[in-house]
Amino acid sequence: DADVTQTPRNRITKTGKRIMLECSQTKGHDRMYWYRQDPGLGLQLIYYSFDVKDINKGEISDGYSVSRQAQAKFSLSLESAIPNQTALYFCATSDRTAGMDTQYFGPGTRLTVL
Amino acid sequence: SQQGEEDPQALSIQEGENATMNCSYKTSINNLQWYRQNSGRGLVHLILIRSNEREKHSGRLRVTLDTSKKSSSLLITASRAADTASYFCATDQAGTALIFGKGTTLSVSS
Repeated sequence: DADVTQTPRNRITKTGKRIMLECSQTKGHDRMYWYRQDPGLGLQLIYYSFDVKDINKGEISDGYSVSRQAQAKFSLSLESAIPNQTALYFCATSDRTAGMDTQYFGPGTRLTVL
Repeated sequence: SQQGEEDPQALSIQEGENATMNCSYKTSINNLQWYRQNSGRGLVHLILIRSNEREKHSGRLRVTLDTSKKSSSLLITASRAADTASYFCATDQAGTALIFGKGTTLSVSS
């Protein structure tokens, strides 16, 4: 969905390096999310934010941090990358209209930690 | 821990056949959603069913929800090769983010 963009799309880095993944959206949604996907494990929620001043940990937040710089921007950081953080990372947004959260996903960032 | 669990993990069928995949969940929900993912791409929302609904249709998709059994099924009728993808259920509980299952990988051969 072109309304949700992620940069970079691919990144190869080394153990111990600091990495930032960025997400921007033009949908005007208040809610934003970061997920990681590993083969066979589906999507696991890392962090989510229901508005600019709200940050919440998900299922697997250890080793990650986030920053919600504006309504449209939500960044995910790996302070010291490790190989088991190699995965496909997705950003998503939603707008809880009528009590329903339908999520819109970005194209993903493929991260490899050597 | 993940809320939704899809079954089967993988499904292979011929074009024209129907594909059924199931989702079980653990706690009360506001609604349940199904998403589709083409290989390596972002998920795309397919259909949402509210907790007070039992069945919903959208084109070739039919979703059922049984809250007493905490389960849902997604039926794709007259499958096409283009339906080849992974399908995920996601449960919506008040006050938290959607929780996704591990997905069913559907392969439709022509």
